[in-house]
Amino acid sequence: KAGVTQTPRYLIKTRGQQVTLSCSPISGHRSVSWYQQTPGQGLQFLFEYFSETQRNKGNFPGRFSGRQFSNSRSEMNVSTLELGDSALYLCASSGGTSGGQETQYFGPGTRLLVL
Amino acid sequence: AQSVSQHNHHVILSEAASLELGCNYSYGGTVNLFWYVQYPGQHLQLLLKYFSGDPLVKGIKGFEAEFIKSKFSFNLRKPSVQWSDTAEYFCAVNAHSGGATNKLIFGTGTLLAVQP
Repeated sequence: KAGVTQTPRYLIKTRGQQVTLSCSPISGHRSVSWYQQTPGQGLQFLFEYFSETQRNKGNFPGRFSGRQFSNSRSEMNVSTLELGDSALYLCASSGGTSGGQETQYFGPGTRLLVL
Repeated sequence: AQSVSQHNHHVILSEAASLELGCNYSYGGTVNLFWYVQYPGQHLQLLLKYFSGDPLVKGIKGFEAEFIKSKFSFNLRKPSVQWSDTAEYFCAVNAHSGGATNKLIFGTGTLLAVQP
């Protein structure tokens, strides 16, 4: 099976712009979660989508949003970018039907640099 | 709030030395526990996990971890490290409270450097 894929792999934006990142989960997986990884804050949970519905949300401002499509692919959007949004954004997928007892498989990430 | 602590931020070992990385979490309910590893230039990948049953779990590449509920700990061990174990190691907890969620709380990571 192909792994989790994320596009684009690298992005450079300027403050105030918006950005959309894409994630394609492993075939058959219905849960997609997003994480932000920074040197200062480590790995932080952004949100999880399952069957096109947001199932859980982390403590991020409303500028961070996401959605999931019927084929389980997911996108996350960050509006009005700030310098502090520079990070590696990781997507993870899992089956979605076993409660918390699932292994999440991570993609390679999208590295976002905000200038 | 739930949190995960990894007390060793940087560890340097010689090949064949034994490894133990500490992980403690703060949550009184049911937890699922994970160790992930990130090799240089690679994705995060699962090393091992604990859901229930035998508290001593074995993972890939000779790693094991022991869940001690009374100590809220899930320490990672390997009896003899190799140069190829050089990587960053993350402990993660899913405090799902019986609900259907894949929200992982990660520790800050431990950077392990193994000297040949």
